[in-house]
Parts: sequence; structure tokens; C-alpha cells
Amino acid sequence: GAVVSQHPSRVICKSGTSVKIECRSLDFQATTMFWYRQFPKQSLMLMATSNEGSKATYEQGVEKDKFLINHASLTLSTLTVTSAHPEDSSFYICSATTSSWPGELFFGEGSRLTVL
Amino acid sequence: AQKVTQAQTEISVVEKEDVTLDCVYETRDTTYYLFWYKQPPSGELVFLIRRNSFDEQNEISGRYSWNFQKSTSSFNFTITASQVVDSAVYFCALAGAGSYQLTFGKGTKLSVIP
Repeated sequence: GAVVSQHPSRVICKSGTSVKIECRSLDFQATTMFWYRQFPKQSLMLMATSNEGSKATYEQGVEKDKFLINHASLTLSTLTVTSAHPEDSSFYICSATTSSWPGELFFGEGSRLTVL
Repeated sequence: AQKVTQAQTEISVVEKEDVTLDCVYETRDTTYYLFWYKQPPSGELVFLIRRNSFDEQNEISGRYSWNFQKSTSSFNFTITASQVVDSAVYFCALAGAGSYQLTFGKGTKLSVIP
């Protein structure tokens, strides 16, 4: 079956640095990808919707300049957490859909970010 | 606005007991999709089921079964003869027509005690 891969699965960084997380669809073209954030013991909250070749659409309350999303190809979307701070420590998970509704939806394995 | 309510925060059962996880949703869409995911401690989301709003048939998959009641906006999940490996957080989620922007419930943590 189709697989969505995230990398890295775990990352630890110092406060003030930037971290990039990749989300790849391995055997299908993903015109749309979604990024979610999950704080410990909480639910998943949608951060943004990423469409290939266009700007991401951010949910209310998500800082565009802090969470940079790039979807440059049909198989890759990246989330860059800029100038990370300890409060950005979270589990970030992406999902990808195949083209044409309803298609299929697949989640990546998630990336755990810890900012020291 | 869409909303998913999982009123049960945590449930503990003894192995081999049956357990039902509740999910109630709100949406103005006439076409929508409901999902259940399992999230073990490792964090990845394990897909369990997707059901569209026009298919109200109940579904059974092994020890898992789902009861979709459109009249009460509920999509409950039952595990029969629970096992320790079923211990995880279970999320119910909702997507409106045309987009897989999922609205998740807060999740129910299931602990199955040997």
C-alpha cells in the first residue's frame, strides 16, 4: 500500500535554531498534504494545508513566518520550524492524499521535536 | 464548524472484556467522512476505518466493530474480547466533503489490564 514517510522521526535542537521536517509520499503523487501538531497527551490539531506548487493555507493562530511550509513537488512537503523555542516542542505529523476526491488518505509516522 | 466529541478520556478494562469507545460529531455538511485511528505509545497513527455519511451499515472487522448512527450523529467503536495489545489512544475524526482536513476528537486512552 501507499506509504508516507517523515524524516527525521526525532530531533533535538537548541533554542533559536531552525529545524526542517520532511514528509514524502513514497509511491503516489500527493497533490495535497496536511500538517498537524500534537502536544503531549492532547489531540492532533491541523496547522496547515499544503498544495503542490502553491502557498500553504494556515489555520487560524498558526504563525506563517514561524512554521514555513513548502510543497515543491508532488511527493515532498517540508515543514521548517524557524527560531524554535521550547514551547514548539511537540509531535508533528503529516498526511497526504491521492488526487481526486475521495481518494485515499495516509499519515506519516510523525516527528518528535524537542527544543532545549 | 465541525466538532468531534469523545467524552471518555480514559478507560480501563480487564483483558477479554468488551469495550465501546464513544464518538459524537457535529457538522453542517451533508457529505462527510468519519475515521477511527489508533495511536500506540510510539506515536504513529494506525488507520482503522473510514466511513462516508451515506453508508450507515455497521461494520465488523475481526474483534473490531463500528456502529454508525446518523440520527444521533454517533460513530461508536467496539472492541470485543480486548487484548493487552489494544492498549493505546484511539481517535475519532471527521472530514467534510472535498477535503481531508481532519477534525480530531480529544482521544480516548484505553488500557487493557492483563
